[in-house]
Amino acid sequence: AQTVTQSQPEMSVQEAETVTLSCTYDTSESDYYLFWYKQPPSRQMILVIRQEAYKQQNATENRFSVNFQKAAKSFSLKISDSQLGDAAMYFCAYNHAGGTSYGKLTFGQGTILTVHP
Amino acid sequence: EPEVTQTPSHQVTQMGQEVILRCVPISNHLYFYWYRQILGQKVEFLVSFYNNEISEKSEIFDDQFSVERPDGSNFTLKIRSTKLEDSAMYFCASSGTGGKNIDFGDGTRLSIL
Repeated sequence: AQTVTQSQPEMSVQEAETVTLSCTYDTSESDYYLFWYKQPPSRQMILVIRQEAYKQQNATENRFSVNFQKAAKSFSLKISDSQLGDAAMYFCAYNHAGGTSYGKLTFGQGTILTVHP
Repeated sequence: EPEVTQTPSHQVTQMGQEVILRCVPISNHLYFYWYRQILGQKVEFLVSFYNNEISEKSEIFDDQFSVERPDGSNFTLKIRSTKLEDSAMYFCASSGTGGKNIDFGDGTRLSIL
């Protein structure tokens, strides 16, 4: 079974600074997707960024980028120029790309990010 | 932009009662899911549904739970006899093929008294 581990229960960053959230996963599959979701206090699940395992290039979405190390099974999220609105719980998630398990996401435990003005 | 819609946003139910949580997935999506998040914990997969049947379910999804797509637009989760530990946020999600794009609803907060 796949597992996703976020070893940082809490992180904090100063506004305008950069922060990196860590995630590791375990799988025997070669084709999969990795996601970072943001969950603000309203508890919505907001997709931040997605990485396809077959792509070597790291995904980037504006101030958000990932460092995807497939061999190490590591998938960290870097937030640049942090803003107060980035404060939230962040979840790393894994999804196998084939078979019948479409959409069966496996989530990590989450990292609470605090942004200080 | 199309979105997954869940109703109600908050449901309060007495222990032992039946509850139905409702979802309208994105119209051209084929795969539907329910997830659960107990307060302060991670999000957990409950069940996936495709072609009018369950394609996969977790060990959480026991005989007290059922899902249904009663018409062409709604997707429901029923809990037959609620327990205190069923109190959680329940998320509906849907996707097209491949599991690359999974859209979540805003969730229904279920409180069991």
